Amino acid sequence: EPEVTQTPSHQVTQMGQEVILRCVPISNHLYFYWYRQILGQKVEFLVSFYNNEISEKSEIFDDQFSVERPDGSNFTLKIRSTKLEDSAMYFCASSVSGWDTGELFFGEGSRLTVL
Amino acid sequence: AQSVAQPEDQVNVAEGNPLTVKCTYSVSGNPYLFWYVQYPNRGLQFLLKYITGDNLVKGSYGFEAEFNKSQTSFHLKKPSALVSDSALYFCAVRKTAGGATNKLIFGTGTLLAVQP
Repeated sequence: EPEVTQTPSHQVTQMGQEVILRCVPISNHLYFYWYRQILGQKVEFLVSFYNNEISEKSEIFDDQFSVERPDGSNFTLKIRSTKLEDSAMYFCASSVSGWDTGELFFGEGSRLTVL
Repeated sequence: AQSVAQPEDQVNVAEGNPLTVKCTYSVSGNPYLFWYVQYPNRGLQFLLKYITGDNLVKGSYGFEAEFNKSQTSFHLKKPSALVSDSALYFCAVRKTAGGATNKLIFGTGTLLAVQP
């Protein structure tokens, strides 16, 4: 069964450093998302991406964040200058289309620890 | 604004007993409702969804959920719990109209603990 894959599974970084989290969505999916889950809290929407541009973003997704689809398979989330409060599990998701009744398929997450 | 509430942080049930995990929602217009499950150190796995039609929807692993429009609820149920059902369960909602994407709003999650 096709799946969304994410790397790294865990990254530890120093505050102020740049981090790139990588995702390979399911191959025939066209819409891509990043969510995050701070430990013990709910899953929060960060951004959605379609046709090489951001479709929607949340208040959390400020100028420190960016997303990119550098090639035909990868979808990346970059945090330019990490803060302590960026420590969370980051989930990538994809869907076949953006406005239908289908579900999102999630990866297993990348745990980011900012020291 | 859209929101989802899961009033119970944890639900404990004995194996073989029926289980219910509660979810209520608030959204303008008709909702699309979803349940996802998260096993330890894993991503979110889709369980089931309500879009339209029959209020009782059936999903993976023997789970079902009942949509109740008057009570704005979408409780997850299973007739007979298994120890392997122990996990974190998330309810999520999406509006049926307005907005450009499949953005889901998640609840805070309910930890289901099934005792042998």
